[in-house]
Amino acid sequence: DAGVIQSPRHEVTEMGQEVTLRCKPISGHDYLFWYRQTMMRGLELLIYFNNNVPIDDSGMPEDRFSAKMPNASFSTLKIQPSEPRDSAVYFCASSLALGAGRDEQYFGPGTRLTVT
Amino acid sequence: AQRVTQPEKLLSVFKGAPVELKCNYSYSGSPELFWYVQYSRQRLQLLLRHISRESIKGFTADLNKGETSFHLKKPFAQEEDSAMYYCALRGGSNYKLTFGKGTLLTVNP
Repeated sequence: DAGVIQSPRHEVTEMGQEVTLRCKPISGHDYLFWYRQTMMRGLELLIYFNNNVPIDDSGMPEDRFSAKMPNASFSTLKIQPSEPRDSAVYFCASSLALGAGRDEQYFGPGTRLTVT
Repeated sequence: AQRVTQPEKLLSVFKGAPVELKCNYSYSGSPELFWYVQYSRQRLQLLLRHISRESIKGFTADLNKGETSFHLKKPFAQEEDSAMYYCALRGGSNYKLTFGKGTLLTVNP
């Protein structure tokens, strides 16, 4: 298993452009998480899904951010319009289920986003 | 509200020396605490959790509810322990993990 797959690995875009980050969770995992990592704020949870349904999006910074999970093997995080302060590393993670032994989160390699 | 504090951004020790990475938390209920690690050019991964009470790669961590701490310890550091370490908390029925800002451990030869 290749683990959690994220694309692109690096994205450089200009302010005002739309950015779409993609994630493929580990097959069979019911939970999917999107995180943002910055020097100032560390690693923050943006949103998570259970069985493709968004459960908690309280970490999504503002309306410019949206996330979808159309099926069990694919999720997107979209920023429209992008701003320089969105520059960060975005991680996707997935886990099997709840409960000890099943709730370990497996992280993807991250997407480094730079907005100029 | 959940909060995790890792007071040291950087920690440098020599090989064979003991190491302790500090983690303090704020949560009103009974939390679950975790340590995640990210080695150079690798993915963030779970190192250990307080519930399992096991030693992983020589590391242990004890949950101290009185001091609201979950410090990570290893008696003899190895060069391969050099990595970024994150303490994380999950509270109650909420499935969210709250991470600290991380401590970069460097073990010098």
